Amino acid sequence: GAVVSQHPSWVICKSGTSVKIECRSLDFQATTMFWYRQFPKQSLMLMATSNEGSKATYEQGVEKDKFLINHASLTLSTLTVTSAHPEDSSFYICSARTGGSWDTDTQYFGPGTRLTVL
Amino acid sequence: GENVGLHLPTLSVQEGDNSIINCAYSNSASDYFIWYKQESGKGPQFIIDIRSNMDKRQGQRVTVLLNKTVKHLSLQIAATQPGDSAVYFCAEISTGTASKLTFGTGTRLQVTL
Repeated sequence: GAVVSQHPSWVICKSGTSVKIECRSLDFQATTMFWYRQFPKQSLMLMATSNEGSKATYEQGVEKDKFLINHASLTLSTLTVTSAHPEDSSFYICSARTGGSWDTDTQYFGPGTRLTVL
Repeated sequence: GENVGLHLPTLSVQEGDNSIINCAYSNSASDYFIWYKQESGKGPQFIIDIRSNMDKRQGQRVTVLLNKTVKHLSLQIAATQPGDSAVYFCAEISTGTASKLTFGTGTRLQVTL
């Protein structure tokens, strides 16, 4: 099946610094990518939807200036957590979609990135 | 907003027994449902899906049942194995509303030997 990778798999940073997380679709082109956040023992919460070449659409309550999303190519989307604080510590998961209408196997998930802010 | 929730947060099952994981959804416009398995520290893994025009779908050792009347979804795992231990999420899509995948709260399945 299709593969989505994320880098790094885990990162520890100091409070106030910025962290960039990459999401890549390795063997398909993704017209749409999604970023989720998952706190311990909780479900995945959609943060934003990004379409290649256009601005991301953020969910209610997600600060677009804090979570910068760039989807510059059909195989790469990045999430930058700016001025990170301990409350931003979480598991960030991206997913990539091939486009068209929803179908059985068109949305693939990455392995996640564990962010810890000290 | 709409919720996709689960009745049981933790389910403990003996190896070899069948498991049933339940999910309730509230959005009557949902027309596509997916079950995911998530192991610790990993991303969700697709298990099986079902469309709203069906009430049952079977895969390898797994069956998904959909009851639209009571907005209920279940995942049945036959002959549960230790490798099935994980958190299971149901997710729903309302294809008429920008096709956003909404996840339920999750059920942890613990398989005992």
